[in-house]
Amino acid sequence: ETGVTQSPTHLIKTRGQQVTLRCSSQSGHNTVSWYQQALGQGPQFIFQYYREEENGRGNFPPRFSGLQFPNYSSELNVNALELDDSALYLCASSLEQGGVAFFGQGTRLTVV
Amino acid sequence: GENVEQHPSTLSVQEGDSAVIKCTYSDSASNYFPWYKQELGKGPQLIIDIRSNVGEKKDQRIAVTLNKTAKHFSLHITETQPEDSAVYFCAASRGSGGGADGLTFGKGTHLIIQP
Repeated sequence: ETGVTQSPTHLIKTRGQQVTLRCSSQSGHNTVSWYQQALGQGPQFIFQYYREEENGRGNFPPRFSGLQFPNYSSELNVNALELDDSALYLCASSLEQGGVAFFGQGTRLTVV
Repeated sequence: GENVEQHPSTLSVQEGDSAVIKCTYSDSASNYFPWYKQELGKGPQLIIDIRSNVGEKKDQRIAVTLNKTAKHFSLHITETQPEDSAVYFCAASRGSGGGADGLTFGKGTHLIIQP
């Protein structure tokens, strides 16, 4: 186990709704990254937070947003859900920006 | 941006035999190459990683080799066991944790160990 915990484990939402996913980073880790993993694919980088600031973003639209809190936990928010947003959402924490990434177990989001 | 190709997509080997998974990358600035193992219903677990200043790294039955000139790296698992059955992902980045660009992953290899 990595010490990175995500909640909830599973979630079903309706198209057009909004969703918030949560992540607690491993103790001492100040950097959190979020990834989207579609079925049968590798994870795709959404964005990274370092000391409460977004410091990098992949090819995802602005309706994907996030927050990082003073205790380094993080949230991923997705607005105006689309069917293609159905995926496993993974959070990874690392000791510093360039540190090794350790993943949580993920949140399975289904959009119907 | 970086592009990582991974082969094969499925690999079936007899228990006790060796397994090799290969990846190529496109960004010559990439300098960190981790391998993750993902079991059903779980998140990816780091099993081994290599940095660009090293050509080979070994940890018990697992080894990774890197050829920076050819831009490819490989995972070698010897004496395979049933618990090695999983999906394996290679990744590349300009920094250990991916930095501002994150990790770029391959599409994965489903490794099946036949008893």
